[in-house]
Amino acid sequence: NAGVTQTPKFRILKIGQSMTLQCTQDMNHNYMYWYRQDPGMGLKLIYYSVGAGITDKGEVPNGYNVSRSTTEDFPLRLELAAPSQTSVYFCASSYSGARGGSGANVLTFGAGSRLTVL
Amino acid sequence: EDQVTQSPEALRLQEGESSSLNCSYTVSGLRGLFWYRQDPGKGPEFLFTLYSAGEEKEKERLKATLTKKESFLHITAPKPEDSATYLCAVRFGSGNTGKLIFGQGTTLQVKP
Repeated sequence: NAGVTQTPKFRILKIGQSMTLQCTQDMNHNYMYWYRQDPGMGLKLIYYSVGAGITDKGEVPNGYNVSRSTTEDFPLRLELAAPSQTSVYFCASSYSGARGGSGANVLTFGAGSRLTVL
Repeated sequence: EDQVTQSPEALRLQEGESSSLNCSYTVSGLRGLFWYRQDPGKGPEFLFTLYSAGEEKEKERLKATLTKKESFLHITAPKPEDSATYLCAVRFGSGNTGKLIFGQGTTLQVKP
């Protein structure tokens, strides 16, 4: 059981370039998330999805886009990369329905993708 | 303002020296408090969920407790393999998903 798989693990981009971070999960989770983690700042939510075809913005969505065409995959697109997007990105998934419909409790995280924009 | 604060930022212990990590929160409508462990270069790994004041959960040398304003992660007789960053997260608010805020983490180093 692979859980949440992210690719690539490391990437260096030049300012203005674009790229897609891939995320796939094999646990049939309906919720998926993208977070970024900066030193001393905690995890910040970029985008999330409650199911295929449904996405919504989190705390820090500017400069990113997502899509969710299948239950398994939730790619994160960076358009026109900027140095402020240098960070470690984590994809996560969860299953809603536990605890009386409170929605998406325990998150399972991928191993992370370290992105540097120069 | 909804906020989750962890203290201390870093903690160094000798093997066997027990201590506690703190997670304080100011949110409305707490729906759950979560503790995660994160090893260097890896994603966070779930440890505990606490839902109401007075609740306690234990796992090996770790014990998590919850009050109306904060949670503690007690580490009893820690070993070097307990070295990691411990993250606290709080789910709160209305709606199907509510909101989830992470604290900035406490980095624990246990020396042999």
